[in-house]
Amino acid sequence: GAVVSQHPSRVICKSGTSVKIECRSLDFQATTMFWYRQFPKQSLMLMATSNEGSKATYEQGVEKDKFLINHASLTLSTLTVTSAHPEDSSFYICSARDGEAHQPQHFGDGTRLSIL
Amino acid sequence: GQNIDQPTEMTATEGAIVQINCTYQTSGFNGLFWYQQHAGEAPTFLSYNVLDGLEEKGRFSSFLSRSKGYSYLLLKELQMKDSASYLCAVLDSNYQLIWGAGTKLIIKP
Repeated sequence: GAVVSQHPSRVICKSGTSVKIECRSLDFQATTMFWYRQFPKQSLMLMATSNEGSKATYEQGVEKDKFLINHASLTLSTLTVTSAHPEDSSFYICSARDGEAHQPQHFGDGTRLSIL
Repeated sequence: GQNIDQPTEMTATEGAIVQINCTYQTSGFNGLFWYQQHAGEAPTFLSYNVLDGLEEKGRFSSFLSRSKGYSYLLLKELQMKDSASYLCAVLDSNYQLIWGAGTKLIIKP
């Protein structure tokens, strides 16, 4: 159980392109979803937390107009990197949690984004 | 500030036992998680401790001492596939998950 699907797994695109990443909880309802960014050999950096039907809460230093998050249903959240630039190249990972904060987060397989 | 410390890297031999330590200073405590992350992949959940003591789950065990702000992950009968990074994360008083930088575990034959 507790499967989270993230798509696409890899994106290579030109600078200025907008990229949408989908995160779906396949066998449970995710009351809360999280978006992380991870640079090589570094730990996870939380970008934002989203609850279904409400606006995402962004961490300090994360531009909400650049990283658009939509959590339209209990099983789907999307992250759109708008007008991506080479410095946005990274490994983006979503996670989903069913219920209380002490429940574990279940992670998608991540999206490796490369901006040329 | 909030801080979680783990060793950066550890090396162990196949078949042996290894203990990965994690110490934390956070504003409040609502539990501690251990995750495993293979290179280029997303983390997978291993354990959750909120009470003092040892939780055993197959070859993996996790220990917590709240008074010492300390946890460890114990891996027995090491296999090559256990080579991965192990992430310690603490749930603080606001139920925010604070992540450690991870410990890269290298298993040698």
